[in-house]
Amino acid sequence: AQKITQTQPGMFVQEKEAVTLDCTYDTSDQSYGLFWYKQPSSGEMIFLIYQGSYDEQNATEGRYSLNFQKARKSANLVISASQLGDSAMYFCAYLVREGTYKYIFGTGTRLKVLA
Amino acid sequence: DSGVTQTPKHLITATGQRVTLRCSPRSGDLSVYWYQQSLDQGLQFLIQYYNGEERAKGNILERFSAQQFPDLHSELNLSSLELGDSALYFCASSPNLGTSGTREQFFGPGTRLTVL
Repeated sequence: AQKITQTQPGMFVQEKEAVTLDCTYDTSDQSYGLFWYKQPSSGEMIFLIYQGSYDEQNATEGRYSLNFQKARKSANLVISASQLGDSAMYFCAYLVREGTYKYIFGTGTRLKVLA
Repeated sequence: DSGVTQTPKHLITATGQRVTLRCSPRSGDLSVYWYQQSLDQGLQFLIQYYNGEERAKGNILERFSAQQFPDLHSELNLSSLELGDSALYFCASSPNLGTSGTREQFFGPGTRLTVL
C-alpha cells in the first residue's frame, strides 16, 4: 500500500537557523509528485513546494528547498533562515496514480520557531 | 487566496442532525477533493470528483455522501452526526487530469464543524 511517513511529530528551531523536516514515502510507481504544505494555526493549507519524480534537481522556492533522495525515497523539506512566522504544522504529501490520481498525506510535523 | 471557496466557515449543530458543506473549486479546475482533519490529526482523504463523476473514495463513512454539480461546485453531506464528526473539513481542487505542471492541490479555507 502507498504510504508516507513523517517521523518527527514536533520540532523546535531557533530563529534565523535552518531546519530540516523529514518525509519518507513508499511507492512502487515510477512517476509521482511530492508536495509540502504548511498549515498555520489559522487552519488554512498553504502549498509550499513541489518535486517531480523525474526532476533532476532539487526543487527550491525562496527559503524552502526539497532534499530529494530518490533511492532512499525521502523528500525532506529544508527551511533556511527560520522566521517566527514559520511556526506551523507541515505536511508532506505525494501524488500517485492508482487508477486515478490520488494524493496521500503524512501525519505532519509541528514546527515551533523560537525567538 | 487559493481561489477555492467553502461555505460555511463555521457550523455548530447537534448530534443526529444533517448538514451540507459547499465548495467551489478554482476556475477551470475539474477535480474536487474532500478531506477531514480532526483535532491535531493529519488529513484524511474522503472522496474525489472529476467533472461530475466520483473518481476515488477514501475513508468516507456511509453516513457521508458527496456530489459534484454541472457547474463543478461540490457538496459534502453529513448525516446522523456524531460527536466524533467534529472536525475541519477541507475541499481542494486541482488542475485537469493529464495536464502537465505541478498539479498541486489548492485548498479552501475549510469548514469547521462542531457537533454538540
